[in-house]
Amino acid sequence: DQQVKQNSPSLSVQEGRISILNCDYTNSMFDYFLWYKKYPAEGPTFLISISSIKDKNEDGRFTVFLNKSAKHLSLHIVPSQPGDSAVYFCAAHRRDTGTASKLTFGTGTRLQVTL
Amino acid sequence: DVKVTQSSRYLVKRTGEKVFLECVQDMDHENMFWYRQDPGLGLRLIYFSYDVKMKEKGDIPEGYSVSREKKERFSLILESASTNQTSMYLCASSLLGVSKNIQYFGAGTRLSVL
Repeated sequence: DQQVKQNSPSLSVQEGRISILNCDYTNSMFDYFLWYKKYPAEGPTFLISISSIKDKNEDGRFTVFLNKSAKHLSLHIVPSQPGDSAVYFCAAHRRDTGTASKLTFGTGTRLQVTL
Repeated sequence: DVKVTQSSRYLVKRTGEKVFLECVQDMDHENMFWYRQDPGLGLRLIYFSYDVKMKEKGDIPEGYSVSREKKERFSLILESASTNQTSMYLCASSLLGVSKNIQYFGAGTRLSVL
């Protein structure tokens, strides 16, 4: 049962345009969401996060939007740069998993930013 | 900077071998995790530990065990490696506490079981 879904396996965007990566979830117990970025042959690195009590969080070129009623979040990258080409994972934390801070990850979206 | 180090980047093992994957973190994190990453399946949690000698099963623990004898070190053990355990293995660590959800990852170990 995939509780965190990234339905687009890949996305291609021109340099300078906006990249929008989407993530849907099914479990209403998720209270915190994170985006990770992964380059080939490297581990995922934390990018940006949002608490379920907010609907937007911004950090430079990266903005995450959360729509709790639709159980949907999105990552916007503006403007997109070639160095943004990577696999992006959405992850969610459940409030009932205690102090271990377990995360449930989506399947990832491969973003390619073209010149 | 948080540093999570996985002892091997690439490993090739034979079916039936016992395999040890080692992970060390230098930030005094209480929580440590082992995931595997497979195409189309994302990151799946194998085991995690929230303290020395404590461990809990994740979503796919079958065929694996773990050991945490020291706070900074978390080992993943494949008791008898099988070809379906060929995968990228990722170790992560995080601080204790519900609000500290950010996990920091190592570079990964690509394991091939022949």
